[in-house]
Amino acid sequence: NAGVTQTPKFQVLKTGQSMTLQCAQDMNHNSMYWYRQDPGMGLRLIYYSASEGTTDKGEVPNGYNVSRLNKREFSLRLESAAPSQTSVYFCASSFLRGSYEQYFGPGTRLTVT
Amino acid sequence: GQQVMQIPQYQHVQEGEDFTTYCNSSTTLSNIQWYKQRPGGHPVFLIQLVKSGEVKKQKRLTFQFGEAKKNSSLHITATQTTDVGTYFCAHPGNTNAGKSTFGDGTTLTVKP
Repeated sequence: NAGVTQTPKFQVLKTGQSMTLQCAQDMNHNSMYWYRQDPGMGLRLIYYSASEGTTDKGEVPNGYNVSRLNKREFSLRLESAAPSQTSVYFCASSFLRGSYEQYFGPGTRLTVT
Repeated sequence: GQQVMQIPQYQHVQEGEDFTTYCNSSTTLSNIQWYKQRPGGHPVFLIQLVKSGEVKKQKRLTFQFGEAKKNSSLHITATQTTDVGTYFCAHPGNTNAGKSTFGDGTTLTVKP
């Protein structure tokens, strides 16, 4: 099992450019999440998807959109990147019930200039 | 949602010293999770505590959940350089989405 995979690993954008971060999991998890982590900071939830076909806003959704393409895949889109979106983005997944233990991907390091 | 506060933010220790990080909430928590993130890495689940007063051990790591279920701690005995990283506590929210609120973390550095 690959667990949670994310692409790309690194990305540099100019202000105003758009891009999509891809995430996939092969653990048959129901729930998937997108977080951002700024230097020296904790994890802030951007969006989550409790199950296929549903998405909900987290703590910091502004400037982002998501798509739960199927049970395996959950993408995050930046329509018009801003320097404030420079961060490390982590995708995670978990079962809907039980311990809710989250499995994280390796992260995407995004710089917006 | 429910907030969890972690202290200290940073801790520097000499190898062999003990280390403790605390996680506090103003409200009762259904359970608490702990994660570790190595420098440059991603968070990795360590453990979940559910019961009031629960204590669990993983080798040199001891996790406790307070009697009132409003606080938790992670204690590392005789730290090693492999313990460096940031330790986060997290609380699953009240919805059934499994959405967790993470503390800001305690970053541990160990001097050999």
